[in-house]
Amino acid sequence: GIQVEQSPPDLILQEGANSTLRCNFSDSVNNLQWFHQNPWGQLINLFYIPSGTKQNGRLSATTVATERYSLLYISSSQTTDSGVYFCALISNFGNEKLTFGTGTRLTIIP
Amino acid sequence: ETGVTQSPTHLIKTRGQQVTLRCSSQSGHNTVSWYQQALGQGPQFIFQYYREEENGRGNFPPRFSGLQFPNYSSELNVNALELDDSALYLCASSLRGAPGNTIYFGEGSWLTVV
Repeated sequence: GIQVEQSPPDLILQEGANSTLRCNFSDSVNNLQWFHQNPWGQLINLFYIPSGTKQNGRLSATTVATERYSLLYISSSQTTDSGVYFCALISNFGNEKLTFGTGTRLTIIP
Repeated sequence: ETGVTQSPTHLIKTRGQQVTLRCSSQSGHNTVSWYQQALGQGPQFIFQYYREEENGRGNFPPRFSGLQFPNYSSELNVNALELDDSALYLCASSLRGAPGNTIYFGEGSWLTVV
């Protein structure tokens, strides 16, 4: 099946800093989403982005499908950005299940 | 607020017992998927239901079973519970075939098996 790797696994930053999270994948995809999981377990959709670039406030994402990676940018970090960030994909060649990466745990220090 | 609701939010069961978890999908969505998330790991796909039929299954034994009802809500049943079944169980809903098919998750059910 499709392999999804995220880096870095852990990231600790001061409030106000910027960060870049990376997601590499092994196969063509027709659905790629970024999620933020809060401490209570809720997965919050950030972006649906199988290709191209999108921005939403302090967050933006870019997927280069031909090179099989996606990036999530967080600018001017706030403590509420803390949590685990997952990218998740549906392969073009599998059934319609999301395959999740291993996640990046982001901790923002006041 | 994703419009996907799950119940119960927390429960404790004894090894060998059976459990039923419930999910109401977002209005208008016809596809429900279930995921298991063990502590410190990413969610793992259990199975998916589309129009009341199982439509894809992950690497989980037959004691994990499910149902989807005509209103597209769903149940996940786990028989003969094992300690390793302790996890967060997540339900996701989507509308198959919709452009930009975003998948939305409920808040999950935390299951502890003792």
